[in-house]
Amino acid sequence: QKEVEQNSGPLSVPEGAIASLNCTYSDRGSQSFFWYRQYSGKSPELIMFIYSNGDKEDGRFTAQLNKASQYVSLLIRDSQPSDSATYLCAVRAPRAGNNRKLIWGLGTSLAVNP
Amino acid sequence: SQTIHQWPATLVQPVGSPLSLECTVEGTSNPNLYWYRQAAGRGLQLLFYSVGIGQISSEVPQNLSASRPQDRQFILSSKKLLLSDSGFYLCAWRNGANLQETQYFGPGTRLLVL
Repeated sequence: QKEVEQNSGPLSVPEGAIASLNCTYSDRGSQSFFWYRQYSGKSPELIMFIYSNGDKEDGRFTAQLNKASQYVSLLIRDSQPSDSATYLCAVRAPRAGNNRKLIWGLGTSLAVNP
Repeated sequence: SQTIHQWPATLVQPVGSPLSLECTVEGTSNPNLYWYRQAAGRGLQLLFYSVGIGQISSEVPQNLSASRPQDRQFILSSKKLLLSDSGFYLCAWRNGANLQETQYFGPGTRLLVL
C-alpha cells in the first residue's frame, strides 16, 4: 500500500461544476495535510493546508479532512478552465522527525472543459 | 517576502558530463532546504534535505550529491550524469524557525541527459 494515494485521473468536469479530488494516506498518526497545484511544465504551488478534522475554506477551494477514515479531499467550486492542472496531495507523517519531510501522492490530473 | 531562485531553467547535457544546479532563497534566514526530482509521469522524489549550513541528508542512493555552502544556497551536483538523471529538478524551502511545514518551490530546472 502506498503511503499517500491519489486517483491519477484524468478527472474531467464541465466549467462551473464542482471538482472533487481525493487523497488517502496510510499512517494513522499523520498530522498535516497539503494540497498543491502543478500546471504542466511548472513547479507545484500551494493551494491550502489543513491540520484539523473538518472543512477549511479558501475562496473557491475547500479542503476536507477525516482522520478516522484517513482521507483528505479538495473541492473546487465553480471550476474554471484555468483550474486544469495536476493536484498533488502531501502529508506530514510523524516518523518524518524534525526534518519536516512531506510524503507526496502522484497527483490527480484535472481537466475543466469550457 | 521570500523568493526562491533556481538556475539554469533548462539544461541539456551528455551522458558522463558533470552537473551543478543552484538554488538560492531570499528574504528568510536558516531555511530548511530540499531537492526533489520529478521524472516524466512520476511523482516527487525527495533527493536531499538540509537543516543548516554543511548539514545534508540523503534520501536515495544515487550518483548525485548536494552541498550547502551558505545559509540560503543549496547546490545539487553530479560528477558523471546518467541517462536516468533526466527530469525536473525542484528546490524547495520551508521556514526552519517554526512548526509550519509548508514547503515552497522554486521554478525548477529541466534536465535532459542525452
